[in-house]
Amino acid sequence: AQKITQTQPGMFVQEKEAVTLDCTYDTSDPSYGLFWYKQPSSGEMIFLIYQGSYDQQNATEGRYSLNFQKARKSANLVISASQLGDSAMYFCAMRYTNTGNQFYFGTGTSLTVIP
Amino acid sequence: EAGVAQSPRYKIIEKRQSVAFWCNPISGHATLYWYQQILGQGPKLLIQFQNNGVVDDSQLPKDRFSAERLKGVDSTLKIQPAKLEDSAVYLCASSYHRGMGPETQYFGPGTRLLVL
Repeated sequence: AQKITQTQPGMFVQEKEAVTLDCTYDTSDPSYGLFWYKQPSSGEMIFLIYQGSYDQQNATEGRYSLNFQKARKSANLVISASQLGDSAMYFCAMRYTNTGNQFYFGTGTSLTVIP
Repeated sequence: EAGVAQSPRYKIIEKRQSVAFWCNPISGHATLYWYQQILGQGPKLLIQFQNNGVVDDSQLPKDRFSAERLKGVDSTLKIQPAKLEDSAVYLCASSYHRGMGPETQYFGPGTRLLVL
């Protein structure tokens, strides 16, 4: 069975500091994609960053980077220089290419940025 | 470019009543998804359409939930009859193709359903 695990229900970070949000996954499929989404209190899911299972380099998008360790099946999100607006729920998700491209989401991590 | 539209934004009903949600995806997006997000959990895929055909509905409780996308554009999700445990946010998302490679889904604002 496919599974995404986020073990940190809540995280706090000081403004301007970096924070790492953990995500591990379980799959036997060789082809998959890993995504991170941000969900503010307004409820809308916002795409942040993508990592493909065959990508050789870790993905980066502005202040977001993905620490992809394929052998350990982890895809941690690193947010650098945290801002107050980063306070939100963060979801890790995986898409399984070989099974109709369904998305499976983790349970999320609530991030609070402290001024 | 307009985003994914959903209506209504909020709905309160009593158990055993019926309710319908509407979604209009981003123009040109072939794939449409409906998710259920219960408070404190991640979104769970209910159904996925490719144009007007169903790709996956394995997690849709078909005894009470139904969805359609007749012309391959907008979609309706219905619950009949509703149960207390259906209280959740119902998210609609769309993607251009079948969601290949780095292509992401774009989400609507969601419909918050409360069943009393």
